[in-house]
Amino acid sequence: GAVVSQHPSRVICKSGTSVKIECRSLDFQATTMFWYRQFPKQSLMLMATSNEGSKATYEQGVEKDKFLINHASLTLSTLTVTSAHPEDSSFYICSARAPQTVPPYSGNTIYFGEGSWLTVV
Amino acid sequence: QQQVKQSPQSLIVQKGGISIINCAYENTAFDYFPWYQQFPGKGPALLIAIRPDVSEKKEGRFTISFNKSAKQFSLHIMDSQPGDSATYFCAASKGGGSNYKLTFGKGTLLTVNP
Repeated sequence: GAVVSQHPSRVICKSGTSVKIECRSLDFQATTMFWYRQFPKQSLMLMATSNEGSKATYEQGVEKDKFLINHASLTLSTLTVTSAHPEDSSFYICSARAPQTVPPYSGNTIYFGEGSWLTVV
Repeated sequence: QQQVKQSPQSLIVQKGGISIINCAYENTAFDYFPWYQQFPGKGPALLIAIRPDVSEKKEGRFTISFNKSAKQFSLHIMDSQPGDSATYFCAASKGGGSNYKLTFGKGTLLTVNP
């Protein structure tokens, strides 16, 4: 399958600082990327959908000013957690929608990155 | 409103046995149903997917059965192995526009005992 790379895999930051997580589609162009948050032993919670060149669409209850999402190119989306606090500590996962030119050629397949562990101390 | 209901929450199977995970959906507009496998501390990996015009799809030891009239689909893992121990998520999506997104079930923690 296609590869989505996420960096960093683990990050520790101090309370009040900002941290950026990058998500790259390595072998395909993704017009749409998604950011999820996952708590231990729970399902994936969609935070926002980003379409290349336009503003991200945030899910209800997600603070736009705290979780800044940028999708500046067809292979890169970034999530910046601003003024992070301990309650923002979580596992953040990005994903990218593969076009029909990428196996399995459905146009609906979403590939996930490996996730990023954020710890705010 | 939970649009995709997944069961069981956890499942223990002996090596060589069959693991069965079920999902039910409510929105008849859903037209794509993938299953993801997630190991601890890793992102989900696409396992297999099906569209509603097909009743069954098999890839290796993994099979999706789809019942459109009942709005249910299930994952069968044949000859389950300890390496299959992971959390499995079913999902559903509809359409293909800019509002496209996956709706996930709550997950099933599968443990395959040696």
